Amino acid sequence: NAGVTQTPKFRVLKTGQSMTLLCAQDMNHEYMYWYRQDPGMGLRLIHYSVGEGTTAKGEVPDGYNVSRLKKQNFLLGLESAAPSQTSVYFCASTTTGPGKTYEQYFGPGTRLTVT
Amino acid sequence: KQEVTQIPAALSVPEGENLVLNCSFTDSAIYNLQWFRQDPGKGLTSLLLIQSSQREQTSGRLNASLDKSSGRSTLYIAASQPGDSATYLCAFTGGGNKLTFGTGTQLKVEL
Repeated sequence: NAGVTQTPKFRVLKTGQSMTLLCAQDMNHEYMYWYRQDPGMGLRLIHYSVGEGTTAKGEVPDGYNVSRLKKQNFLLGLESAAPSQTSVYFCASTTTGPGKTYEQYFGPGTRLTVT
Repeated sequence: KQEVTQIPAALSVPEGENLVLNCSFTDSAIYNLQWFRQDPGKGLTSLLLIQSSQREQTSGRLNASLDKSSGRSTLYIAASQPGDSATYLCAFTGGGNKLTFGTGTQLKVEL
């Protein structure tokens, strides 16, 4: 199993450009999450999904959109990138149900710079 | 809103020392807590997970405890080594299966 993978690993954008970050998991998890990590701020939740076709806002959703068309994929989109979106983005997934621990598994991260 | 505080923010110790990292939280309605390790420029590695019904978990030289009544968790590292140098993050799973992270403790173990 590959676990949680993220594409791309690095990206540099100019202000106003758009891009999509892809997260994929092969563990058949229902829940998927997008976080951003900034110095001194810890990880903050951007958006999450509790199942295919559903999404919800997290703590810092402004400027981002997400889609969960397939259970194994969770896409994070930036329609018009801003320098304030320079960050490291992490995707995670988990499963729920009787006997489950709700442990979240993380991808390796995407380092995004917006100039 | 759940808030998670980690103290100290940074710690430097000599090799071989036993140490304790602290994590406190404001809302006792949690499903579990996880301790993660993050090396510079890298992703998160899960170290230990304690479910809300448990008091502690151990893995090798690591021991994590959870006291929901006082809103505290500790990560104990025995006989520290230079390879333990990293940032340690605690996080709680609360409502909606969402993780709330602390800002981390940056640990340096010196020879």
